[in-house]
Amino acid sequence: GAGVSQSPSNKVTEKGKDVELRCDPISGHTALYWYRQSLGQGLEFLIYFQGNSAPDKSGLPSDRFSAERTGGSVSTLTIQRTQQEDSAVYLCASSAPGPQQYFGPGTRLTVL
Amino acid sequence: RKEVEQDPGPFNVPEGATVAFNCTYSNSASQSFFWYRQDCRKEPKLLMSVYSSGNEDGRFTAQLNRASQYISLLIRDSKLSDSATYLCVVIPSGSARQLTFGSGTQLTVLP
Repeated sequence: GAGVSQSPSNKVTEKGKDVELRCDPISGHTALYWYRQSLGQGLEFLIYFQGNSAPDKSGLPSDRFSAERTGGSVSTLTIQRTQQEDSAVYLCASSAPGPQQYFGPGTRLTVL
Repeated sequence: RKEVEQDPGPFNVPEGATVAFNCTYSNSASQSFFWYRQDCRKEPKLLMSVYSSGNEDGRFTAQLNRASQYISLLIRDSKLSDSATYLCVVIPSGSARQLTFGSGTQLTVLP
């Protein structure tokens, strides 16, 4: 079956611009996570959605970052006024009940 | 101190060698433990869960020592296709099940 998909696969933007990253989780998965992986760094948790509950935003690095999940399925991560330090690979993962998370291929964001 | 610490390597081993990776975690109440594998420029994929009793999957053996807050992964008879970065992953107690990753150990298996 289809896995987690993300778009775009690559995004190059200028400092100060806003960007939107999209994630389509595996159908039926109730939990959705965003992580980012910076060059030479480990994966860093950003935000977590579970069903209709309020999201866990504890990993968002600043108020320039926000995310929403519409209809319990597709999620969009928005970064406003991008900075060069936002350059990273942004990974989305989804899971059914149980601990295993399935990752999408990621969006490689480059802020010039 | 990082929540999950790993030796970054790189580990360069010949085909057929046995190699072991170690990982320590700081939250003693952590509840779940995993090894993920990440190929270059690819997403992480679950390799195996780690249980207190130790568990084996083919050439791979994972062990957990809760008293020492230590996790290990042993790869026997290594193959060229085992070359990847191995990520030690923990779900801390009380978290909403988000994964906490180590920075990864890079393995290259040489012909």
